[in-house]
Amino acid sequence: DAKTTQPPSMDCAEGRAANLPCNHSTISGNEYVYWYRQIHSQGPQYIIHGLKNNETNEMASLIITEDRKSSTLILPHATLRDTAVYYCIVRLYFNTNAGKSTFGDGTTLTVKP
Amino acid sequence: DTEVTQTPKHLVMGMTNKKSLKCEQHMGHRAMYWYKQKAKKPPELMFVYSYEKLSINESVPSRFSPECPNSSLLNLHLHALQPEDSALYLCASSHGKGPKNTGELFFGEGSRLTVL
Repeated sequence: DAKTTQPPSMDCAEGRAANLPCNHSTISGNEYVYWYRQIHSQGPQYIIHGLKNNETNEMASLIITEDRKSSTLILPHATLRDTAVYYCIVRLYFNTNAGKSTFGDGTTLTVKP
Repeated sequence: DTEVTQTPKHLVMGMTNKKSLKCEQHMGHRAMYWYKQKAKKPPELMFVYSYEKLSINESVPSRFSPECPNSSLLNLHLHALQPEDSALYLCASSHGKGPKNTGELFFGEGSRLTVL
């Protein structure tokens, strides 16, 4: 699985959009980008995933660059409850090993009032 | 039911004790995982079971022994642990192969282990 690089920390004002970048320059053609977040002392929570098209769900939007070497997770209207560690992971979708999701160091997002 | 349930939530054990962590899911998932997470670090993969068979062992010491008795249940047996094994142990599950597989992992809340 490809390695990812994320900034260690970011701040965001409550109500504003939070844009979290992830670099995955060694991603291969059949690897997907997944985002999870982990609120303090809880298990990680899935947010969104994508291959090459931009994706949106009720939680967030995922923008993947055309060369797929980087992506951005967008939380459109951040709230205090979005304060968490955000992990970007790349992995094979139909991995016959049932998947090997390797977590990088993540970005600690702090949403401030 | 979209939950992964882990028990116990907290466990304190001595280095000579034998204990077990339990993980259960009823979502029909056929892949289950154990991760270990130290404070302020990302989760580290330990084991993966696919269709009740061990498919990945990330060179975990033998004092950790996983078991998957059926498709809903995953255990982690602990014996002769060291204080540095103190951590949050996370269980996760996902669909196995097939059209339902989105690659999404569903995590439990974890079992916090302290080894004295």
